Amino acid sequence: GAGVSQSPSNKVTEKGKDVELRCDPISGHTALYWYRQSLGQGLEFLIYFQGNSAPDKSGLPSDRFSAERTGGSVSTLTIQRTQQEDSAVYLCASSLAGGQGAANFYEQYFGPGTRLTVT
Amino acid sequence: AQKITQTQPGMFVQEKEAVTLDCTYDTSDQSYGLFWYKQPSSGEMIFLIYQGSYDEQNATEGRYSLNFQKARKSANLVISASQLGDSAMYFCAMSGSNFGNEKLTFGTGTRLTIIP
Repeated sequence: GAGVSQSPSNKVTEKGKDVELRCDPISGHTALYWYRQSLGQGLEFLIYFQGNSAPDKSGLPSDRFSAERTGGSVSTLTIQRTQQEDSAVYLCASSLAGGQGAANFYEQYFGPGTRLTVT
Repeated sequence: AQKITQTQPGMFVQEKEAVTLDCTYDTSDQSYGLFWYKQPSSGEMIFLIYQGSYDEQNATEGRYSLNFQKARKSANLVISASQLGDSAMYFCAMSGSNFGNEKLTFGTGTRLTIIP
């Protein structure tokens, strides 16, 4: 079946502009995560969706960052008034939901990422 | 809070040899999962192997095995009979369960280079 897809694959924008990044998760995956990877670094958690709600937004770096998910499927990450430090690869992942206090955890399937460059 | 430490920024290994990538973790969760992901130069994150904190046996997936030592809080990845295609960044990650939120905390990664 189809994996996680993201668009655009590359985005170059001028400082101060707004950008929207899109993620299409694997069908049936109720959990969706956004991460950010700066050059040569590990991944940094941004936000978690369960269905359409976002119970954990703790990783969003500032109020310029927001995200939504509609229909329990597609998610959009929006960065307003972009800054140069926002330049990074933004990765989306989806998984089957874990239960509360579950003994088993589910692997996350990652999309190819969107490389954002702010000039 | 959870923390993953990978102390090997880079490793060079001869083709066909086995290699161990180190990972230690810290968490106050009783239940957690440990993961290894591979990131080739193309950038995609490829899931390799998973170990649950309650699993008594070490996980294995083909040439990959996870050496889980709970008391030492270590989860090292062992790759047997390395191949040129194994050259990539490798990330150790962990997840705790918080009402279904299994967000991953990643280490800084190890860049593995296989020498022919």
